[in-house]
Amino acid sequence: AQSVTQLDSHVSVSEGTPVLLRCNYSSSYSPSLFWYVQHPNKGLQLLLKYTSAATLVKGINGFEAEFKKSETSFHLTKPSAHMSDAAEYFCVVSPPSNTGKLIFGQGTTLQVKP
Amino acid sequence: DTEVTQTPKHLVMGMTNKKSLKCEQHMGHRAMYWYKQKAKKPPELMFVYSYEKLSINESVPSRFSPECPNSSLLNLHLHALQPEDSALYLCASSQTLLGTDTQYFGPGTRLTVL
Repeated sequence: AQSVTQLDSHVSVSEGTPVLLRCNYSSSYSPSLFWYVQHPNKGLQLLLKYTSAATLVKGINGFEAEFKKSETSFHLTKPSAHMSDAAEYFCVVSPPSNTGKLIFGQGTTLQVKP
Repeated sequence: DTEVTQTPKHLVMGMTNKKSLKCEQHMGHRAMYWYKQKAKKPPELMFVYSYEKLSINESVPSRFSPECPNSSLLNLHLHALQPEDSALYLCASSQTLLGTDTQYFGPGTRLTVL
């Protein structure tokens, strides 16, 4: 069975400081992993995806994530937070099946303080 | 272009009304999805279409009726909804149903049922 756990429901950082959003997954097979961001009253925007190529994945807006199989983690980082980064972030597992079903984490709310 | 469009942006309806939500993509994707998202929760899958055929119905009440008239369009027909159906309805599309394919989300329709 596949599952995904976002370890923090809420993260607060100051503008200009690093961001770390943590995600652990459980999968019997090698899944594809995604991070999406959702700003208030908006749809989900893809930040980055991992599909068994390079373990360090670079995304949009300065975000990156590292796939660590031994730790079953896919944490999202950014060196310097910007006010516009304040949003809800979802870690998503996509099993290697042909159903199109995604497994969403519960989300992490990122607050950025001036 | 990775744009999925949805209309309307907002919809208020009574419990006896009939309305429709519309979703469109021009990326040549052959899989399309409807999700329901409640506040502070991840999206929940409702329906999956693949090559214009219904692939998955996640036990959604019959007051929600999906339709895929062609490969670019996806509709969700609403009838006799309940107040608890108030939510953000998201449409998404992907190249195919493969787990490695990215799902691209629209901005959503905010539905309020009175």
